[in-house]
Amino acid sequence: LAKTTQPISMDSYEGQEVNITCSHNNIATNDYITWYQQFPSQGPRFIIQGYKTKVTNEVASLFIPADRKSSTLSLPRVSLSDTAVYYCLVGPPIMDSNYQLIWGAGTKLIIKP
Amino acid sequence: DAGITQSPRYKITETGRQVTLMCHQTWSHSYMFWYRQDLGHGLRLIYYSAAADITDKGEVPDGYVVSRSKTENFPLTLESATRSQTSVYFCASSESSGGSEPQHFGDGTRLSIL
Repeated sequence: LAKTTQPISMDSYEGQEVNITCSHNNIATNDYITWYQQFPSQGPRFIIQGYKTKVTNEVASLFIPADRKSSTLSLPRVSLSDTAVYYCLVGPPIMDSNYQLIWGAGTKLIIKP
Repeated sequence: DAGITQSPRYKITETGRQVTLMCHQTWSHSYMFWYRQDLGHGLRLIYYSAAADITDKGEVPDGYVVSRSKTENFPLTLESATRSQTSVYFCASSESSGGSEPQHFGDGTRLSIL
């Protein structure tokens, strides 16, 4: 099973670009990489998903190197409202008893004025 | 609005009692999930379901029972609650069982067992 490791916490300032890296050394060939954002007293919310190379949407970019053993969530020009916990998720397209979704423990991102 | 609703939002009960957490989704997603979230552990999968009457164990199923008689509902039951089951429980739904599609989460049930 792929194990995901991410920093416990990070600080940054408004207007800066923030990069959060998740390590998943044992990622399987067909695993997807997904990032979620969670605010207090709410469920996680999907941010971005990728399989390889780079993916960009209106809120973030996801960089995945060729070996896929890590991934980096990039948040451009963060604001105070980006203060949240960010989770990395690695998993196959179809889950079964042998291939399950592996959630990281989360990175608490604090944005300062 | 389409969404996923969990009830109750907060629950306090005693050791040994049975408690049921409810989850309802309006997306008509085939797959539904139950997670628990504890400090230092992130999200851990308890059970998931591919369709009505089809359920499967996740990482931490012991002490929990699920059912899915209708596609939109996926209740989680603690048959005899223990203090170690104090946690925040999240229900989610998706078009996929795995990582190829996003999961949509409810806002959770905070369960305290005294």
